[in-house]
Amino acid sequence: NAGVMQNPRHLVRRRGQEARLRCSPVKGHSHVYWYRQLPEEGLKFMVYLQKENIIDESGMPKERFSAEFPKEGPSILRIQQVVRGDSAAYFCASSSTGSYGYTFGSGTRLTVV
Amino acid sequence: TQLLEQSPQFLSIQEGENLTVYCNSSSVFSSLQWYRQEPGEGPVLLVTVVTGGEVKKLKRLTFQFGDARKDSSLHITAAQPGDTGLYLCAGATTGGQNFVFGPGTRLSVLP
Repeated sequence: NAGVMQNPRHLVRRRGQEARLRCSPVKGHSHVYWYRQLPEEGLKFMVYLQKENIIDESGMPKERFSAEFPKEGPSILRIQQVVRGDSAAYFCASSSTGSYGYTFGSGTRLTVV
Repeated sequence: TQLLEQSPQFLSIQEGENLTVYCNSSSVFSSLQWYRQEPGEGPVLLVTVVTGGEVKKLKRLTFQFGDARKDSSLHITAAQPGDTGLYLCAGATTGGQNFVFGPGTRLSVLP
């Protein structure tokens, strides 16, 4: 696992369903970040996690969105009761130090129909 | 809230031309990064600058961090079609553990 692995690459959900986005960081990286990108826009910070802890969730909507990074397994971004406005590309990034550069995954493109 | 502005928003040039894109803020950053993102992919880190006035070169790319650590520029010499992409700058505030991204400059290099 040379890089950040995100799955699925594409996810289609009907309004009201749940979306689960997975992120496996670079081996050895303990810092995970989730960002959202709308078409033709930059990346908006959502949440920063270290193993089993949420460090900063200031960019994540208070309702319907949650994130976790368990001791074992990938980080999960969960969106409950999706709405059309949740349609976006969601990127996960990881780092070893938290300060000097991220490695990004290829993203999950969520489409809510 | 720290905000980063990037200019120009769009840039279309011919192969072989030189160009400079800018990243500006009213905030001081402890470090600043530049990424390039291609369609359908995640951003790829190009460089991290941490010292005011620092200049880093990566082949045909030259990155400069402003003396006051509030702005940065990326200069590309003899642009090639492979340079096409979205160039994003991202700044970390002092003590910050996450990065704020600018909206990006979308570069198109025509053959």
